[in-house]
Amino acid sequence: GENVEQHPSTLSVQEGDSAVIKCTYSDSASNYFPWYKQELGKGPQLIIDIRSNVGEKKDQRIAVTLNKTAKHFSLHITETQPEDSAVYFCAASRGFKTIFGAGTRLFVKA
Amino acid sequence: DTEVTQTPKHLVMGMTNKKSLKCEQHMGHRAMYWYKQKAKKPPELMFVYSYEKLSINESVPSRFSPECPNSSLLNLHLHALQPEDSALYLCASSQGQGKGGYTFGSGTRLTVV
Repeated sequence: GENVEQHPSTLSVQEGDSAVIKCTYSDSASNYFPWYKQELGKGPQLIIDIRSNVGEKKDQRIAVTLNKTAKHFSLHITETQPEDSAVYFCAASRGFKTIFGAGTRLFVKA
Repeated sequence: DTEVTQTPKHLVMGMTNKKSLKCEQHMGHRAMYWYKQKAKKPPELMFVYSYEKLSINESVPSRFSPECPNSSLLNLHLHALQPEDSALYLCASSQGQGKGGYTFGSGTRLTVV
């Protein structure tokens, strides 16, 4: 079946450094790729998304890139801050079906 | 109002109990979802409602019964659950199929004893 692989599972960075999380999807019909941040005790929160007809999107310190040919997409966080510490999920969607990656636990050390 | 509100936040129930989880949104979203999330795992889709009609049932056991009374409300009725059903149950909404990401509630932490 369809799946989304996400790496790394854990990422530890110093405050101010950049963090990169990578995902690969299997369903070539996927056309929407959201990223969610989940803090302890809360539901996931949409932080940025990209559609299949766009290669890159940026929102302040966060950017996503998509390579449709390779079925890869990535999240880039620059100038990380302690409040960026959370679990990040990538996802690939087609219609109502959204498949989530396994998650990356990001630690930002002050 | 850009929130999805779930009640209760925590629930402990016995295997013979019947309980309901409730979800409400007032963003005018026409699609609503139930997800189940185990510890340190991603959310797993259970049900999708679109325009108050059940669109997707991911082969969920019948001890979970969803209901969508109107466009703002989504319920999940629970009966004869097993301990392995203990998890965080998340409700989400979206504008519709292919129309952007989800707004998730904070979830109901369910423990079956």
